[in-house]
Amino acid sequence: ETGVTQSPTHLIKTRGQQVTLRCSSQSGHNTVSWYQQALGQGPQFIFQYYREEENGRGNFPPRFSGLQFPNYSSELNVNALELDDSALYLCASSSGLAGIYEQYFGPGTRLTVT
Amino acid sequence: ELKVEQNPLFLSMQEGKNYTIYCNYSTTSDRLYWYRQDPGKSLESLFVLLSNGAVKQEGRLMASLDTKARLSTLHITAAVHDLSATYFCAYYGGATNKLIFGTGTLLAVQP
Repeated sequence: ETGVTQSPTHLIKTRGQQVTLRCSSQSGHNTVSWYQQALGQGPQFIFQYYREEENGRGNFPPRFSGLQFPNYSSELNVNALELDDSALYLCASSSGLAGIYEQYFGPGTRLTVT
Repeated sequence: ELKVEQNPLFLSMQEGKNYTIYCNYSTTSDRLYWYRQDPGKSLESLFVLLSNGAVKQEGRLMASLDTKARLSTLHITAAVHDLSATYFCAYYGGATNKLIFGTGTLLAVQP
């Protein structure tokens, strides 16, 4: 059984650019959630995708958007990058809605915005 | 407001000592999670507490849940250096599907 994987591991972008982060969910999981973890803080919920539909969103602006594909992998897109977007981005997958089923976290993508 | 407070935020302890990390959360929930995070790494699930009075133990760590008090504790027994990490508690507040995390407790175990 393959766990949750994320790519890339590290990324450096310039303010104003756009970035796409990718997440492959664990085998058999149909739900993916994305979290942003700034340095020294706990993870903050961005949004969740369940069976290719957005199913809940945290307090993040619309320039944070996502997709889930038929194989349940997911992308997080961030437009017009700001310095404060520098963080560890974590995705987590679960076998159903994340309020009911345990989530399993991927290794994360470290994004640095300069 | 959905909130989780952990204390202490930083804990420096000597090997062999015992200590407890506290996690208070703001709204009703019947499940509480504890995670460990090493520097620059992802979250490792430690415990899932699913009901009032639940107690789980793994090695030197023991977690408990009191849903009436909205309090969970993570007790460390006879700490060793390998336990040095940041520990987070998290819960699903109300009828939401978002996991709400505490600020974390940075544990440093000194030899």
